[in-house]
Amino acid sequence: QLQLQESGPGLVKSSETLSLTCTVSGGSLSSSSDCWGWIRQPPGKGLEWIGSFYHSGSTYYNPSLKSQVTISVDTSRNQFSLELSSVTAADTAVYYCARHEYIGYYYMDVWGKGTTVTVSS
Amino acid sequence: QSVLTQPPSVSGAPGQRVTISCTGSSSNIGGGYDVHWYQQLPGTAPKLLMYGNNNRPSGVPDRFSGSKSDTSASLAITGLRAEDEADYYCQSYDGRSASWLFGGGTKLTVL
Repeated sequence: QLQLQESGPGLVKSSETLSLTCTVSGGSLSSSSDCWGWIRQPPGKGLEWIGSFYHSGSTYYNPSLKSQVTISVDTSRNQFSLELSSVTAADTAVYYCARHEYIGYYYMDVWGKGTTVTVSS
Repeated sequence: QSVLTQPPSVSGAPGQRVTISCTGSSSNIGGGYDVHWYQQLPGTAPKLLMYGNNNRPSGVPDRFSGSKSDTSASLAITGLRAEDEADYYCQSYDGRSASWLFGGGTKLTVL
C-alpha cells in the first residue's frame, strides 16, 4: 500500500529557506504516469497547491509562489523535496505531499499525514 | 479569495440531504477539466472523496455523489451521519494559469 511521509524542521526563521522531504513507500516515484506534489494549509484556512512534478521531469509551480519554490526528486531514495525560500509568517502552515494518479486526468489520491512548519521572527 | 467558490458552511440534521456547490469559470471547470472532492476530518489530512466529477474511490459510501454542469460542480450527501461532519474541498485544474486549484472549503455541520 502506497504511503507518503513528510519530514523536516518544524521551525524556520523568517527570511530563511524552508526544506521538506517526502518519502514514498509501497510504490515508486519512477511510475510512468503519476505526478507528485506539495500542498499546504495555513492555520484555520484552506488548501493551497504549491507545485508538482511529472514523471517526465517537468515541474509546475503555483504562479503566486513560483519565485520562492523549488521541487526536486531523488529516485534512488524514492524521495522528493520542497524548498521555499525567503519565508515569512505567511508561510506558516501544515505541508502535505501527495501523489496525483493519472487515469486520463490527475487527481490526488494518496496524501501524507502532513508536517507543521512554523516561521518565527 | 479562491478561484473556485464554495459556501463557507452548510448544515443538516442526521438523515437529511445536503449539497455543496463549487463554482468556477471557463478556464477551469467550464473548460472541461474534471472536478475532484476531498474530505478533511478535524486534525487529519485530506482524503479523496470523489474523482472525475462523479466517481467514488473504493470504501466511500454511495451516500456521496458528485455532478458537474457548465462552470459548476456539486457534492451531494444523503442520509447524513455524525461522522460526515468535516471540511469539504473541491479541486480542478485551471488551463489559463496551469495550476491546480482548490475551493475555499465548506464546513459541514451535522446538527
